[in-house]
Amino acid sequence: SQQGEEDPQALSIQEGENATMNCSYKTSINNLQWYRQNSGRGLVHLILIRSNEREKHSGRLRVTLDTSKKSSSLLITASRAADTASYFCATAEPYAGNNRKLIWGLGTSLAVNP
Amino acid sequence: DGGITQSPKYLFRKEGQNVTLSCEQNLNHDAMYWYRQDPGQGLRLIYYSQIVNDFQKGDIAEGYSVSREKKESFPLTVTSAQKNPTAFYLCASRPTGQPQHFGDGTRLSIL
Repeated sequence: SQQGEEDPQALSIQEGENATMNCSYKTSINNLQWYRQNSGRGLVHLILIRSNEREKHSGRLRVTLDTSKKSSSLLITASRAADTASYFCATAEPYAGNNRKLIWGLGTSLAVNP
Repeated sequence: DGGITQSPKYLFRKEGQNVTLSCEQNLNHDAMYWYRQDPGQGLRLIYYSQIVNDFQKGDIAEGYSVSREKKESFPLTVTSAQKNPTAFYLCASRPTGQPQHFGDGTRLSIL
């Protein structure tokens, strides 16, 4: 079942610009994770934000979480051509203990033009 | 190097044939997962396993089977009962309380 919905579905920017992607979800969560997928490859974990956190940074990445609006945003600053990829959010169920599954969004396709 | 290896990278299936996708990890992770990804779609969970000799159905298990006889290995069989098997299949593993690590996928097509 799909929970996360990313917005926009596709984004095209110039190198050096910032890219912002949004994720909305429907139910309570334990944490929300962002992953990147290069074309034809597996996913790579970028950042995890817990339900009691509001903002988290990792290098050029900034993630925010608003549990009252059930939404998260991923900001990539000073984008590079190598950032071209699809970005997915995934939410973890709150009550499943170690058996917690992830529920995935449909992804945002980011193209960074040199 | 530690990681997850999926093989083959490309696989073709004939009508009525079962095929098996391999997933091996040397990360010593207990949990392993199989996902299906269709174009323009997110990941859908097929099966997952939290420990050796135990596995559970995900959201789209019909037409698929798995085994978990060894910690390192979690093969997925796409049976002839799966009528629309063409997709990109991703295997992942996860240490307790941590995010998932993914292999580079197997692309399955029908001949």
